Amino acid sequence: KNQVEQSPQSLIILEGKNCTLQCNYTVSPFSNLRWYKQDTGRGPVSLTIMTFSENTKSNGRYTATLDADTKQSSLHITASQLSDSASYICVVTDNTNAGKSTFGDGTTLTVKP
Amino acid sequence: DAGVIQSPRHEVTEMGQEVTLRCKPISGHNSLFWYRQTMMRGLELLIYFNNNVPIDDSGMPEDRFSAKMPNASFSTLKIQPSEPRDSAVYFCASSFIQGIGNEQFFGPGTRLTVL
Repeated sequence: KNQVEQSPQSLIILEGKNCTLQCNYTVSPFSNLRWYKQDTGRGPVSLTIMTFSENTKSNGRYTATLDADTKQSSLHITASQLSDSASYICVVTDNTNAGKSTFGDGTTLTVKP
Repeated sequence: DAGVIQSPRHEVTEMGQEVTLRCKPISGHNSLFWYRQTMMRGLELLIYFNNNVPIDDSGMPEDRFSAKMPNASFSTLKIQPSEPRDSAVYFCASSFIQGIGNEQFFGPGTRLTVL
């Protein structure tokens, strides 16, 4: 069964600090991995999309990495801001005709002043 | 572009009533997804359409749930009869399937409360 596991479940950091969120998956065959940011009361918004051949992708202060061999991804947030407080969801899509996506449970990040 | 539009934004109803959630995808997108999000179960895919045709409805909880997409610009998710355990935020998302790496754009969601 395809699974996506994220850690930690929640994280509290001080404004200006860096943090790293983890995502491990068992989805196969692999097509792509996406990181979403979901603010409270809003729909998820895509941060990065990575395919098999991509190791790193950045979007401003967000940098995602992918190790397709170990089936691990990380999302690194640099110089955190209060607006980074949100839930971060890892989504992995398989490479079958249906292109089924498996969602992680998310990491809730709280940035405190 | 206004993005994905969902209505209503909030719905409170009594157990046993019929509930209809509506979604207008982004113009030009050819895939539409319905999700349900709860604290306990996170984000779950209920059903998705490609070119107005249901492709995978394995996430639809039971026969009380049904979804339609009569045309490329409109979809509905209906719950009949509704139950308290259906209380959740329901998201609609759309994307343009173009090879791999297609990004889904989510609507603001409909918060459903069944009393």
